Amino acid sequence: DTGVSQNPRHKITKRGQNVTFRCDPISEHNRLYWYRQTLGQGPEFLTYFQNEAQLEKSRLLSDRFSAERPKGSFSTLEIQRTEQGDSAMYLCASSFSRGGGTETQYFGPGTRLLVL
Amino acid sequence: EDQVTQSPEALRLQEGESSSLNCSYTVSGLRGLFWYRQDPGKGPEFLFTLYSAGEEKEKERLKATLTKKESFLHITAPKPEDSATYLCAVANYGGSQGNLIFGKGTKLSVKP
Repeated sequence: DTGVSQNPRHKITKRGQNVTFRCDPISEHNRLYWYRQTLGQGPEFLTYFQNEAQLEKSRLLSDRFSAERPKGSFSTLEIQRTEQGDSAMYLCASSFSRGGGTETQYFGPGTRLLVL
Repeated sequence: EDQVTQSPEALRLQEGESSSLNCSYTVSGLRGLFWYRQDPGKGPEFLFTLYSAGEEKEKERLKATLTKKESFLHITAPKPEDSATYLCAVANYGGSQGNLIFGKGTKLSVKP
């Protein structure tokens, strides 16, 4: 069990550019979550998948953001036309759900995005 | 509105000086309360899950307790390596199955 991995760990981009982040969950975990964290704040929920289905999206997830989880394995989060307000740490988490319970989410190391 | 409030925002302790961190929550129905530790520039590291009032869990120098309105993270005889931000999060029945609601965290500094 190697834990949740995220790539890249750091990304610097110019305003208006598109960026894509990748998350590889713990193997056999069927749920995958994306959060955003800014300095001095706790993580804020963006979206989550059960297998390949995207089950919920936060109102924080504007139409410039899109997430996918093809084949229910790794996931990508793309931000189009980045803005300076998108600068944050993007965290991925995964869990195993048998349905009906409250499972623990395990987080990756995050991708820190800086938009210039 | 579901809410999680952590206090204090920051806490400075001397090595060996025990203390407690507080997490107050208001949710429509608690499914679980989680404690995480986060080091600078890293993702949150899972510590404990508590499900019902009266429940307690321990790990090394840390002990988490839960009441109907709040949770405490007790730190006994802390060491400098316990310095980190401690995050509290809740999952509620009224909300999404996927959404953890986090507090802003308590930044703990332990001086030798």
